[in-house]
Amino acid sequence: DVQMTQSPSSLSASVGDRVTISCRASQGISIWLAWYQQKPEKAPKALIYAATSLQSGVPSRFSGTVSGTDFTLTISSLQPEDFATYYCQQYNTYPRTFGPGTRVDMK
Amino acid sequence: EVQLLESGGGLVQPGGSLRVSCAASGFTFSTYAMNWVRQAPGKGLEWVSGISGSGGSTYYADSVKGRFTISRDNSKNIMYLQMNSLRAEDTAIYYCAKDWNGMDVWGKGTTVTVSS
Repeated sequence: DVQMTQSPSSLSASVGDRVTISCRASQGISIWLAWYQQKPEKAPKALIYAATSLQSGVPSRFSGTVSGTDFTLTISSLQPEDFATYYCQQYNTYPRTFGPGTRVDMK
Repeated sequence: EVQLLESGGGLVQPGGSLRVSCAASGFTFSTYAMNWVRQAPGKGLEWVSGISGSGGSTYYADSVKGRFTISRDNSKNIMYLQMNSLRAEDTAIYYCAKDWNGMDVWGKGTTVTVSS
């Protein structure tokens, strides 16, 4: 199975900050990685697919990059509605696997 | 509008069974693979099971293999998860998600509690 790791597990940031979250796959998954945002008591929301493509309706301050098995989610200027937990997920193979999550809270 | 609506959650005793459902609307259901993903209280997301558009291929996490069965009825646009031999560690919110570009659409979830 492909193991997904994320770092950091949590971070504190202020509105307007640039935020970067990392995700690493234990083996090659090509570009088949997605990012999700989850707020408390809500279902996850899809943000990015194929490592770098924005889902419809997602603000352009969100972006994704890939280098080998290392993936990054960047929020260019953190907004109040962006405080949430973020998960990466590989969909190259079954079983699908998620990273453990990164919580972004207010400094 | 594309929508997924889970139902069937509830309280069940350890060793018991439960079937949860996911009703889909707003897209051609049979075209897409589907997934069940769960989230235990205070924990992260865990993929549970997936099924191809035709229903001919099914996939399971090791944690539920042999106990859970995924199925779908494309004539009714519904996906199911039959859960047997339930354990306390199966307590979670169960989400269904459409398998496209990752999981592009999610339901609101249904809560399953396994407790005596």
